[in-house]
Formats: sequence, structure tokens, C-alpha cells
Amino acid sequence: EAQVTQNPRYLITVTGKKLTVTCSQNMNHEYMSWYRQDPGLGLRQIYYSMNVEVTDKGDVPEGYKVSRKEKRNFPLILESPSPNQTSLYFCASSPNGQGTFYGYTFGSGTRLTVV
Amino acid sequence: QQPVQSPQAVILREGEDAVINCSSSKALYSVHWYRQKHGEAPVFLMILLKGGEQKGHDKISASFNEKKQQSSLYLTASQLSYSGTYFCGTGNSGGYQKVTFGTGTKLQVIP
Repeated sequence: EAQVTQNPRYLITVTGKKLTVTCSQNMNHEYMSWYRQDPGLGLRQIYYSMNVEVTDKGDVPEGYKVSRKEKRNFPLILESPSPNQTSLYFCASSPNGQGTFYGYTFGSGTRLTVV
Repeated sequence: QQPVQSPQAVILREGEDAVINCSSSKALYSVHWYRQKHGEAPVFLMILLKGGEQKGHDKISASFNEKKQQSSLYLTASQLSYSGTYFCGTGNSGGYQKVTFGTGTKLQVIP
């Protein structure tokens, strides 16, 4: 089944403890992206990647890191989480390449709570 | 900058029609529409491209006015299954797409 898989689904952590949220897609998609969703603010892009080793900042990149060493994986790293990073996180992918446009397939989401 | 969606929320009875609007302060190249049910991930409905035609998806269709930098989503003869939050996402360039989402329109269809 074609899908985007995120892990974990739920995570409670303490301030300052490094964590990684994994994202993997099995559709050979070029484009992957991370979004956070907060009440009243919609989906805001954190980082995106156009291909292996090619990443760029979205609208709210502060406090996050990403890497794209393999085409299928795009982990989100919080090196020193803070309570304002408590949110619902979505990974998304699409076949988009240069000049091509398709919709996104979203993962099931990761609900992160930082205390 | 996020596109602006209106209305923020709407309640419909089954069978009624609704229009959700999405406007941007920047020139648009593409507009995406998604629906998210409570506790689930957003699901892609359709994409409209600059210079493209109005798209349709069952009883859900959309239009794209490039000059006004606006898109509208039309839901006709609404069904209970249409309930959810609808997001538009706008892409501002013809190259690699950075899609910016609006804050959503919550739609509730009641019997």
C-alpha cells in the first residue's frame, strides 16, 4: 500500500531532550515536507526537500533540523525541544519535481507534547 | 504569508450547497485543496494550475481566478461525509513548489 509512515504517533518528552520523528514513504516521491498544525494557525511548513541532500527552510524552521540522506526517509530532529514546539506534526510527500505539480500524501501525524 | 480562507466555519443541512474561498496577497501558480476529518491526516482533493481548467471531484469542484489571486471550492448537494476542515494551499512559483496553507474552514453537515 502506498503510504507515508510517521513514528511515533504520540510522544511526551521533557524540555531539552533531543528527539527524532521519523518519516518514510514507499512511493519513490521526490518531494517531502514537514508541517506543524496548531489550533487556529492551520498547517505551517517547517522544512521541505526536493530530493536527496537538497533541503530548504519553510515558514517556521527555528528549533528544527532535517536531513535527506535517502530518498524514502526524511526525519525531523528537535535537538533541544521547548514547550512551544508542542504540536501536531505531519510529514507529506509528492512526486513533484521541477515544473511538475501533484497533491501531497500526508502521514498519520505525530502528536508531540514537550513538558 | 498564509492565504486567507473564508468563511472560518459553516454549518449545512444535508443537500445544501457551500462555497469556500481562498485568497492570496501574492501571485498564484497553483492552488491545492484538502479535507481533514477530526483526528486524521489531510486528504488531497484537487489541484488547480495557472492557466488550467476548473477541476471537479464528484460533487466537489473548484475554480481558480489568477487575476484576483483567488480560488473557490464548491460543494454541491452536501453529504454527511463532507464534514471536516478544508484547507487551501497556494504555490507561488513555477519551479519547485513551496505550498503555503490557509488556516482552514470547518464545515459541518447535519441531517
